[in-house]
Amino acid sequence: DIVMTQSPTSMSISVGDRVTMNCKASQNVGSNVDWYQQKTGQSPKLLIYKASNRYTGVPDRFTGSGSGTDFTFTISNMQAEDLAVYYCMQSNSYTFGAGTKLELK
Amino acid sequence: EVQLVESGGGLVQPGRSLKLSCAASGFTFSNYYMAWVRQAPTKGLEWVASITNSGGSTYYRDSVKGRFTISRDNAKSTLYLQMDSLRSEDTATYYCTREDWYFDFWGPGTMVTVSS
Repeated sequence: DIVMTQSPTSMSISVGDRVTMNCKASQNVGSNVDWYQQKTGQSPKLLIYKASNRYTGVPDRFTGSGSGTDFTFTISNMQAEDLAVYYCMQSNSYTFGAGTKLELK
Repeated sequence: EVQLVESGGGLVQPGRSLKLSCAASGFTFSNYYMAWVRQAPTKGLEWVASITNSGGSTYYRDSVKGRFTISRDNAKSTLYLQMDSLRSEDTATYYCTREDWYFDFWGPGTMVTVSS
């Protein structure tokens, strides 16, 4: 099975911060990584697909990059409504990272 | 507007069965693969099973193979998950998702608790 190691587990951030989190695949997954946002009590929401493509309606402060085994997700200008847990997922065989929880400092 | 609404969750004893349903609307259901993804309480996301648009092929994670069956009725725009021989580790919220190389729409989820 392909393991997705996501880091950090949590981050304390302030509104306006630039936030970066990472995901490392245990084997080459090409560009087949998606990023999801899950707010408390809600179902997940797709933000980025195929490593770097922003899904319809997703604000441009959310970006993704990477290929092969190393992937990065960035929020360029953190907003209060972005507080959530973010998950990476490799879509070759559908395994998720453990998530990165964003909390207010 | 795409909508997915799960139903059928509840409290069930270990070893018993439960069948989940997901009613889809707002898109041509028969054109899309569909999947179930689950989330144990306070835990992360875990893909459970997928089915092709025709229903001709199905895929499962190893831990549910032989116990769970994903199926669909395209005439009713409904996805199903038959869960047999349930275990405590199957306790989770089960989400129905539309699959298009990624999971672009999710239902609100239905909670399944396996406990004696």
